[in-house]
Amino acid sequence: QVHLQESGPGLVRPSETLSLTCSVSGGSLRTGSFYWTWVRQAPGKAPEWIGYTYYGGSTHNNPFLKNRLTISVDMSKNEFYLRLSPVTAADTAVYYCARGVEPAKLTAAHWGQGTLVTVSS
Amino acid sequence: QSVLTQPPSVSAAPGQKVTISCSGSSSNIGNDFVSWYQQLPGTAPKLLIYDNDQRPSGIPDRFSGSKSGTSATLGITGLQTGDEATYYCATWDSTIDSGLWVFGGGTKLTVL
Repeated sequence: QVHLQESGPGLVRPSETLSLTCSVSGGSLRTGSFYWTWVRQAPGKAPEWIGYTYYGGSTHNNPFLKNRLTISVDMSKNEFYLRLSPVTAADTAVYYCARGVEPAKLTAAHWGQGTLVTVSS
Repeated sequence: QSVLTQPPSVSAAPGQKVTISCSGSSSNIGNDFVSWYQQLPGTAPKLLIYDNDQRPSGIPDRFSGSKSGTSATLGITGLQTGDEATYYCATWDSTIDSGLWVFGGGTKLTVL
Protein backbone atom coordinates (compact mmCIF):
# COMPACT_ATOMS: atom_id res chain seq x y z
CA GLN A 1 0.00 0.00 0.00
CA VAL A 2 1.47 3.33 -1.02
CA HIS A 3 2.00 5.83 1.79
CA LEU A 4 2.57 9.57 1.44
CA GLN A 5 3.87 11.96 4.05
CA GLU A 6 4.11 15.73 3.81
CA SER A 7 6.79 17.67 5.65
CA GLY A 8 7.82 21.28 5.92
CA PRO A 9 7.57 24.37 8.08
CA GLY A 10 4.27 25.13 9.76
CA LEU A 11 4.84 28.88 9.71
CA VAL A 12 6.03 31.01 6.83
CA ARG A 13 6.44 34.80 6.79
CA PRO A 14 4.57 36.81 4.15
CA SER A 15 6.60 37.40 0.96
CA GLU A 16 8.86 34.44 1.76
CA THR A 17 9.02 30.95 0.25
CA LEU A 18 6.95 27.92 1.19
CA SER A 19 8.73 24.63 0.58
CA LEU A 20 7.11 21.26 1.20
CA THR A 21 8.27 17.70 0.63
CA CYS A 22 6.11 14.66 -0.06
CA SER A 23 7.89 11.44 0.85
CA VAL A 24 6.53 8.30 -0.80
CA SER A 25 6.84 4.75 0.49
CA GLY A 26 5.29 1.50 -0.67
CA GLY A 27 5.40 2.69 -4.25
CA SER A 28 7.86 4.29 -6.64
CA LEU A 29 7.71 7.58 -8.47
CA ARG A 30 9.64 5.82 -11.26
CA THR A 31 7.03 3.20 -12.08
CA GLY A 32 3.59 3.48 -13.56
CA SER A 33 2.01 6.52 -15.12
CA PHE A 34 0.55 7.85 -11.92
CA TYR A 35 -0.38 11.43 -11.19
CA TRP A 36 1.35 12.67 -8.03
CA THR A 37 -0.62 15.68 -6.93
CA TRP A 38 -0.55 18.59 -4.51
CA VAL A 39 -3.88 19.84 -3.12
CA ARG A 40 -4.47 22.45 -0.48
CA GLN A 41 -7.47 23.35 1.60
CA ALA A 42 -7.95 26.69 3.32
CA PRO A 43 -9.91 26.61 6.58
CA GLY A 44 -13.60 26.03 5.88
CA LYS A 45 -13.07 25.95 2.12
CA ALA A 46 -13.16 23.32 -0.61
CA PRO A 47 -9.95 21.62 -1.71
CA GLU A 48 -7.91 23.46 -4.33
CA TRP A 49 -5.68 21.68 -6.82
CA ILE A 50 -2.16 23.06 -6.86
CA GLY A 51 -0.51 20.91 -9.50
CA TYR A 52 0.90 17.50 -10.30
CA THR A 53 3.96 15.70 -11.48
CA TYR A 54 3.44 12.93 -13.93
CA TYR A 55 5.39 10.00 -15.28
CA GLY A 56 8.91 11.00 -16.17
CA GLY A 57 8.84 14.13 -14.06
CA SER A 58 6.69 16.36 -16.24
CA THR A 59 4.54 18.79 -14.29
CA HIS A 60 1.36 20.79 -14.69
CA ASN A 61 0.50 23.67 -12.41
CA ASN A 62 -2.69 25.47 -11.52
CA PRO A 63 -2.71 28.48 -13.89
CA PHE A 64 -3.74 30.74 -11.02
CA LEU A 65 -0.55 29.82 -9.17
CA LYS A 66 1.71 29.33 -12.14
CA ASN A 67 3.99 32.33 -11.68
CA ARG A 68 4.68 31.51 -8.04
CA LEU A 69 4.73 27.73 -8.13
CA THR A 70 7.34 25.10 -8.82
CA ILE A 71 6.70 21.38 -8.53
CA SER A 72 9.68 19.08 -8.83
CA VAL A 73 10.62 15.48 -8.21
CA ASP A 74 13.65 13.52 -7.03
CA MET A 75 13.13 9.94 -8.10
CA SER A 76 16.29 8.78 -6.36
CA LYS A 77 14.78 9.87 -3.04
CA ASN A 78 11.22 8.91 -3.99
CA GLU A 79 10.08 12.42 -3.11
CA PHE A 80 8.34 15.27 -4.84
CA TYR A 81 8.26 18.88 -3.84
CA LEU A 82 6.25 22.05 -3.81
CA ARG A 83 7.77 25.51 -3.78
CA LEU A 84 5.51 28.57 -3.62
CA SER A 85 6.95 32.07 -3.62
CA PRO A 86 6.17 34.69 -2.56
CA VAL A 87 3.40 33.70 -0.16
CA THR A 88 0.61 35.77 1.33
CA ALA A 89 -1.95 35.12 4.04
CA ALA A 90 -4.21 33.67 1.35
CA ASP A 91 -1.82 30.72 1.07
CA THR A 92 -2.62 29.62 4.61
CA ALA A 93 -4.05 26.10 4.27
CA VAL A 94 -3.61 22.43 4.94
CA TYR A 95 -1.39 21.10 2.17
CA TYR A 96 -1.82 17.52 0.99
CA CYS A 97 0.06 15.34 -1.42
CA ALA A 98 -1.76 12.48 -3.11
CA ARG A 99 -1.51 9.78 -5.75
CA GLY A 100 -4.04 8.69 -8.33
CA VAL A 101 -6.11 5.54 -8.07
CA GLU A 102 -4.77 4.00 -11.28
CA PRO A 103 -2.15 4.89 -13.84
CA ALA A 104 -3.13 7.77 -16.09
CA LYS A 105 -6.16 8.64 -13.94
CA LEU A 106 -6.15 12.16 -12.53
CA THR A 107 -7.69 11.36 -9.16
CA ALA A 108 -6.47 11.44 -5.58
CA ALA A 109 -6.91 8.03 -4.00
CA HIS A 110 -3.97 7.87 -1.62
CA TRP A 111 -3.46 10.95 0.51
CA GLY A 112 -0.93 12.12 3.02
CA GLN A 113 -2.21 13.24 6.40
CA GLY A 114 -1.76 16.86 5.40
CA THR A 115 0.36 19.60 6.92
CA LEU A 116 -0.97 22.94 8.09
CA VAL A 117 0.94 25.92 6.78
CA THR A 118 0.22 29.31 8.28
CA VAL A 119 1.44 32.45 6.58
CA SER A 120 1.88 35.14 9.18
CA SER A 121 4.42 37.61 10.42
CA GLN B 1 -16.65 30.50 -6.34
CA SER B 2 -16.19 27.12 -8.04
CA VAL B 3 -17.16 26.37 -11.64
CA LEU B 4 -18.77 23.21 -10.26
CA THR B 5 -21.99 23.90 -8.35
CA GLN B 6 -23.09 21.68 -5.50
CA PRO B 7 -25.92 22.23 -3.02
CA PRO B 8 -24.46 23.48 0.29
CA SER B 9 -26.30 20.85 2.31
CA VAL B 10 -28.54 17.81 2.11
CA SER B 11 -30.10 15.69 4.82
CA ALA B 12 -31.90 12.40 5.18
CA ALA B 13 -32.74 9.84 7.82
CA PRO B 14 -30.70 6.72 8.55
CA GLY B 15 -31.44 3.94 6.11
CA GLN B 16 -32.72 6.33 3.48
CA LYS B 17 -31.20 7.33 0.15
CA VAL B 18 -29.73 10.69 -0.76
CA THR B 19 -28.37 12.19 -3.96
CA ILE B 20 -25.88 15.02 -4.31
CA SER B 21 -25.68 16.94 -7.56
CA CYS B 22 -22.71 18.59 -9.22
CA SER B 23 -23.47 20.96 -12.06
CA GLY B 24 -20.90 22.24 -14.52
CA SER B 25 -20.50 23.04 -18.19
CA SER B 26 -19.22 21.69 -21.47
CA SER B 27 -15.74 22.89 -20.44
CA ASN B 28 -15.56 20.60 -17.47
CA ILE B 29 -18.10 17.88 -16.62
CA GLY B 30 -19.32 17.74 -20.19
CA ASN B 31 -15.81 16.98 -21.40
CA ASP B 32 -14.12 14.81 -18.76
CA PHE B 33 -14.57 12.25 -16.03
CA VAL B 34 -15.92 13.16 -12.61
CA SER B 35 -14.67 11.91 -9.27
CA TRP B 36 -16.26 12.21 -5.85
CA TYR B 37 -14.66 12.61 -2.42
CA GLN B 38 -15.88 12.25 1.13
CA GLN B 39 -14.25 14.34 3.84
CA LEU B 40 -14.76 13.81 7.54
CA PRO B 41 -13.74 16.71 9.81
CA GLY B 42 -10.02 16.93 10.35
CA THR B 43 -9.14 14.24 7.82
CA ALA B 44 -7.98 14.11 4.24
CA PRO B 45 -10.61 13.62 1.53
CA LYS B 46 -11.34 10.02 0.57
CA LEU B 47 -11.97 8.92 -3.00
CA LEU B 48 -15.42 7.37 -3.38
CA ILE B 49 -16.03 7.40 -7.14
CA TYR B 50 -13.84 7.97 -10.18
CA ASP B 51 -14.45 7.89 -13.92
CA ASN B 52 -18.05 8.98 -13.22
CA ASP B 53 -19.22 5.66 -11.82
CA GLN B 54 -16.28 3.49 -10.74
CA ARG B 55 -15.66 2.60 -7.12
CA PRO B 56 -12.12 2.05 -5.83
CA SER B 57 -11.58 -1.18 -3.98
CA GLY B 58 -12.98 -1.04 -0.47
CA ILE B 59 -15.76 1.43 -1.24
CA PRO B 60 -19.15 -0.21 -0.58
CA ASP B 61 -21.75 -0.37 -3.32
CA ARG B 62 -23.99 1.89 -1.25
CA PHE B 63 -22.08 4.64 -3.03
CA SER B 64 -22.76 5.19 -6.73
CA GLY B 65 -22.03 7.81 -9.33
CA SER B 66 -23.52 8.88 -12.61
CA LYS B 67 -23.08 11.59 -15.21
CA SER B 68 -25.38 13.06 -17.79
CA GLY B 69 -24.32 15.91 -20.02
CA THR B 70 -22.88 18.66 -17.85
CA SER B 71 -24.08 17.29 -14.50
CA ALA B 72 -23.01 14.48 -12.23
CA THR B 73 -24.69 12.84 -9.27
CA LEU B 74 -23.47 10.95 -6.23
CA GLY B 75 -25.95 8.55 -4.69
CA ILE B 76 -25.75 7.05 -1.23
CA THR B 77 -28.18 4.37 -0.11
CA GLY B 78 -28.73 2.84 3.32
CA LEU B 79 -27.53 6.00 5.04
CA GLN B 80 -25.51 5.57 8.20
CA THR B 81 -24.52 8.13 10.80
CA GLY B 82 -20.93 7.54 9.74
CA ASP B 83 -21.79 8.99 6.32
CA GLU B 84 -22.12 12.46 7.85
CA ALA B 85 -19.41 14.35 6.03
CA THR B 86 -18.77 16.89 3.33
CA TYR B 87 -18.78 15.57 -0.24
CA TYR B 88 -16.92 17.11 -3.16
CA CYS B 89 -17.05 16.49 -6.88
CA ALA B 90 -13.99 17.11 -9.06
CA THR B 91 -13.13 17.15 -12.73
CA TRP B 92 -10.84 18.77 -15.27
CA ASP B 93 -11.76 22.26 -16.48
CA SER B 94 -10.39 23.49 -19.79
CA THR B 95 -11.81 27.00 -19.71
CA ILE B 96 -8.54 28.82 -19.14
CA ASP B 97 -4.95 28.44 -20.23
CA SER B 98 -3.80 24.83 -20.14
CA GLY B 99 -6.61 23.76 -17.88
CA LEU B 100 -6.88 22.87 -14.25
CA TRP B 101 -8.40 20.28 -11.97
CA VAL B 102 -11.33 21.77 -10.08
CA PHE B 103 -13.38 20.80 -7.04
CA GLY B 104 -16.98 21.68 -6.33
CA GLY B 105 -17.83 23.85 -3.36
CA GLY B 106 -18.87 20.86 -1.29
CA THR B 107 -22.11 19.48 0.13
CA LYS B 108 -22.51 18.79 3.81
CA LEU B 109 -24.56 15.67 4.43
CA THR B 110 -26.50 15.45 7.68
CA VAL B 111 -27.95 12.09 8.68
CA LEU B 112 -30.87 13.03 10.89
